[in-house]
Amino acid sequence: DTAVSQTPKYLVTQMGNDKSIKCEQNLGHDTMYWYKQDSKKFLKIMFSYNNKELIINETVPNRFSPKSPDKAHLNLHINSLELGDSAVYFCASSQATLAEEQYFGPGTRLTVT
Amino acid sequence: AQTVTQSQPEMSVQEAETVTLSCTYDTSESDYYLFWYKQPPSRQMILVIRQEAYKQQNATENRFSVNFQKAAKSFSLKISDSQLGDAAMYFCAYKVTSGSRLTFGEGTQLTVNP
Repeated sequence: DTAVSQTPKYLVTQMGNDKSIKCEQNLGHDTMYWYKQDSKKFLKIMFSYNNKELIINETVPNRFSPKSPDKAHLNLHINSLELGDSAVYFCASSQATLAEEQYFGPGTRLTVT
Repeated sequence: AQTVTQSQPEMSVQEAETVTLSCTYDTSESDYYLFWYKQPPSRQMILVIRQEAYKQQNATENRFSVNFQKAAKSFSLKISDSQLGDAAMYFCAYKVTSGSRLTFGEGTQLTVNP
């Protein structure tokens, strides 16, 4: 009965590869997010979707492309992976765009070698 | 732009003692939320406590309480009767009421000594 789930939890890949991280929430929320936590543990928002519509798009390389097939899913696709993409990526969801609480997934640790 | 600052990269406390983690923020907004999140070694982000800026009363959740000073833009977290399970990275976060973006501080690594 996991609220926000992410797959995979760990991802090791080589530079130049393309990879995807999947996120699903079963809370009935209509807003989902991707956050990046770097090696110094700093967390920063990357994207947000509300009802499959992109509402936040931070200054992120266009190698990163979020896709929301429906409001329960938000996937993150990364092209041409670079060493600097190594980080933990968190998916989160909230009841509404302005809802005060966001529920986080367990994170995906991406290591690019 | 809103910023959140945690000036204590690391803190330690003896089990059963009290510890206070500091957080300051900068904003020109009047309506916003403040949060403390806990991230244990499992990496899961866990909401510890939240404060609405329009409320003067400090939020409390069991052993966790905040000292919210709106004029000073300060939002500290007090953990009473510290337990070994409280050991984690603690993040202060801010969200304007009219938006959805969470802005995090740099985090404070809390160690609880037995």
